[in-house]
Amino acid sequence: EVQLLESGGGLVQYGGSLRLSCAASGFTFSSFAMSWVRQAPGKGLEWVSSISGGGGSTYYADSVKGRFTISRDNSKNTVYVQMNSLRAEDTAVYYCAKERGSPEPFDGMDVWGQGTTVTVSS
Amino acid sequence: DIQMTQSPSSVSASVGDRVTITCRANQGISSWLAWYQQKPGKAPKLLIYAASSLQSGVPSRFSGGGSGTDFTLTITSLQPEDFATYYCQQANSFPWTFGQGTKVEIK
Repeated sequence: EVQLLESGGGLVQYGGSLRLSCAASGFTFSSFAMSWVRQAPGKGLEWVSSISGGGGSTYYADSVKGRFTISRDNSKNTVYVQMNSLRAEDTAVYYCAKERGSPEPFDGMDVWGQGTTVTVSS
Repeated sequence: DIQMTQSPSSVSASVGDRVTITCRANQGISSWLAWYQQKPGKAPKLLIYAASSLQSGVPSRFSGGGSGTDFTLTITSLQPEDFATYYCQQANSFPWTFGQGTKVEIK
């Protein structure tokens, strides 16, 4: 069964850091791009970042560029997002998601984790 | 950035109804559009990719159409499990962007 399991969420102070992890199973991890998408309380979906299957290409939303870093360890089937200089507006449920059919971010995210909650307090 | 606008923001419908949701991009995105369904407290689920391709395992009552700037998601014969929020997402260029969502509610 294809699965994604996020971890690392929690309560952090304004300006603090957090690293989220997403462990994948059930598919050839390195063959697919991975993404992070977040959802603030009561709000819609916001794409955060994507990384290619080999890790050589990364993409970021303007709202997190320079503060967040996406990475992956294909030997551990895990994708990460390092979040620094956290702000109140980063408070959200963070989902990791698998690209549907390509090692590059392409045309849709077909498998999603259950999400991990990040709360930034002031 | 490409802005995605969905309409309506919410729709009330009955079981068996046909529902159409529209998504408009403020610039052409060819067919680089996906549709997702999200139920409260759950992760989104991919329904449609490449504007009109049905994701494996998704019921055939869901269909997508359009290209360029105007797209539709149609649910024929709405079922109880279809009451949810639906989002479009453009994958034409980064940053990827989502529509604001359309909530399908029970009439």
